Amino acid sequence: AQKITQTQPGMFVQEKEAVTLDCTYDTSDQSYGLFWYKQPSSGEMIFLIYQGSYDEQNATEGRYSLNFQKARKSANLVISASQLGDSAMYFCAMAGNTGFQKLVFGTGTRLLVSP
Amino acid sequence: ETGVTQTPRHLVMGMTNKKSLKCEQHLGHNAMYWYKQSAKKPLELMFVYSLEERVENNSVPSRFSPECPNSSHLFLHLHTLQPEDSALYLCASSQEYRGVYQPQHFGDGTRLSIL
Repeated sequence: AQKITQTQPGMFVQEKEAVTLDCTYDTSDQSYGLFWYKQPSSGEMIFLIYQGSYDEQNATEGRYSLNFQKARKSANLVISASQLGDSAMYFCAMAGNTGFQKLVFGTGTRLLVSP
Repeated sequence: ETGVTQTPRHLVMGMTNKKSLKCEQHLGHNAMYWYKQSAKKPLELMFVYSLEERVENNSVPSRFSPECPNSSHLFLHLHTLQPEDSALYLCASSQEYRGVYQPQHFGDGTRLSIL
């Protein structure tokens, strides 16, 4: 069974600062994928970034980067230069080696960016 | 139209009503998903359709009945729901390649309230 743990219910950051959202995972699969999603108050889940278990380099997408530490089973999201529009819920998720993508989500972290 | 579209955005129904949620994806994907998001709980995968065949039914009560008439459309038929079924229902789609992880793209969700 797969499990995602997000231990930070809420995070506060000032505009233009960087913030790290924590995510640890547990799986017995050798091959898996890790995803981060953003959910604004409107409800839509927006895909941010993906990291494959065999990827040697940390994934980056614009202001988002994923700090992947395989031995520690952690996949933290780093948002650089925070903006007010980054205020939202952030979910870490993983898909194991099932042949189709059965995503398992964490409980999420609410990020508030202040001016 | 782009992405994943869900209708209606909001639905209020009594416990004896029958209603349906609709999802349409314009991304050419071959897999579609229904998720339930309740307050303070992780997203729960309900159903997965891959190439229009149901491949996952995550112990969902029979009062929820999915239908996938083609690769672009997914329905969730509701009947005799309970108050605890009030939640945000999210539809997603992805392109499935065995062994390759692709992000799921979500709709805005239908916020369902059971009276």
